[in-house]
Amino acid sequence: EVQLVESGGGLVQPGGSLRLSCAASGFTFSSYEMNWVRQAPGKGLEWVSYISSSGSTIYYADSVKGRFTISRDNAKNSLYLQMNSLRAEDTAVYYCASNIGGPAFDYWGQGTLVTVSS
Amino acid sequence: AIQLTQSPSSLSASVGDRVTITCRASQGISSALAWYQQKPGKAPKLLIYDASSLESGVPSRFSGSGSGTDFTLTISSLQPEDFATYYCQQFNSYLPLTFGGGTKVEIK
Repeated sequence: EVQLVESGGGLVQPGGSLRLSCAASGFTFSSYEMNWVRQAPGKGLEWVSYISSSGSTIYYADSVKGRFTISRDNAKNSLYLQMNSLRAEDTAVYYCASNIGGPAFDYWGQGTLVTVSS
Repeated sequence: AIQLTQSPSSLSASVGDRVTITCRASQGISSALAWYQQKPGKAPKLLIYDASSLESGVPSRFSGSGSGTDFTLTISSLQPEDFATYYCQQFNSYLPLTFGGGTKVEIK
């Protein structure tokens, strides 16, 4: 069974940093692309970042470019999102999502809440 | 960036109704479109990919159609468990990948 489990969310002050993790199981993690998607309270879905299976290709949304860094450790079946210079508008539930069956996001984690507030 | 405009943003319907949600892309995306269902406090669930392909395990009352710029998600006979918010997503371009604004389906 495919499982994606996020962790690392919490309350952080504006300007602070946080590192999110996504632990993957039930599939050959190293073979598949991964993404981070976020959802601000009461709002819609916003794609944040993409990483290819090898980590060689990475994309970011303009809203996080230069502040967030996506990475993966295929030996540990884990995906990461390093978030720096956090702003109030980064407050959201952050989901990791996989593209196992194709380019659409077929598996999602349960999400981890990041709250940026003083 | 490719913009996706969903309509309506919300609708009220009764069990058994046929429901149609549209998604319009600001430029052609071929069939690179997916539909997701999200219930409160839960992660989105993939329903349709490649505009019209039904994800495994999704009930056949859900269907998708369209290509280019105009797409439709149809629920042929609304069931109680279908009350949720629905999002379209384009994966024609990751620069950036985009979602529609969502359509909330509520009980009439």
